[in-house]
Amino acid sequence: AQKVTQAQTEISVVEKEDVTLDCVYETRDTTYYLFWYKQPPSGELVFLIRRNSFDEQNEISGRYSWNFQKSTSSFNFTITASQVVDSAVYFCALSEAWSGGSNYKLTFGKGTLLTVNP
Amino acid sequence: KAGVTQTPRYLIKTRGQQVTLSCSPISGHRSVSWYQQTPGQGLQFLFEYFSETQRNKGNFPGRFSGRQFSNSRSEMNVSTLELGDSALYLCASSLGLAGGPDEQYFGPGTRLTVT
Repeated sequence: AQKVTQAQTEISVVEKEDVTLDCVYETRDTTYYLFWYKQPPSGELVFLIRRNSFDEQNEISGRYSWNFQKSTSSFNFTITASQVVDSAVYFCALSEAWSGGSNYKLTFGKGTLLTVNP
Repeated sequence: KAGVTQTPRYLIKTRGQQVTLSCSPISGHRSVSWYQQTPGQGLQFLFEYFSETQRNKGNFPGRFSGRQFSNSRSEMNVSTLELGDSALYLCASSLGLAGGPDEQYFGPGTRLTVT
């Protein structure tokens, strides 16, 4: 069975600090997909990134970067120079390639509440 | 391009009643997934529809059902409501491409309160 663990329940930082959100996953599949979503106070989940299991390259998008390490089953997310607007709950999610016929079933971690203080 | 819309945004129902929630996906998207979000269980997958067919289902009782129409709009229904069904119900749409899950875009959710 697939599982996603986000050990950090809450993180509080001061603006401009760098912060890393951890995500550890479990799956028996060799083909799978990992996602990060942001949920601001408004409640709507915002897609951030998708990564498949064959692409271990790290990715940088502006102040966001992701470190994917299959050896440790981790897909960590770093925000550089955090801003107050980054305050939200961040979810890591996993989709196995085949789950009951389709692969659109996401298993989410419990989320990490990030608070960026001015 | 309009995003995913969900109606109603808020709903209060009594135990034993039934409820229908609606989701309109992004134009051109053919896959619609539903998730339940609660403080205790987090985000849990309910089901996914593609071209009017349910492709996958989560571990929820049969009281939870859904359907998709030819225009890709989807509804989910919960019958015989229980207090534990109080949650934020999120709908997500995507192109539904084969070969891997593409990005799912979520709607604002319907907040259901069962009293």
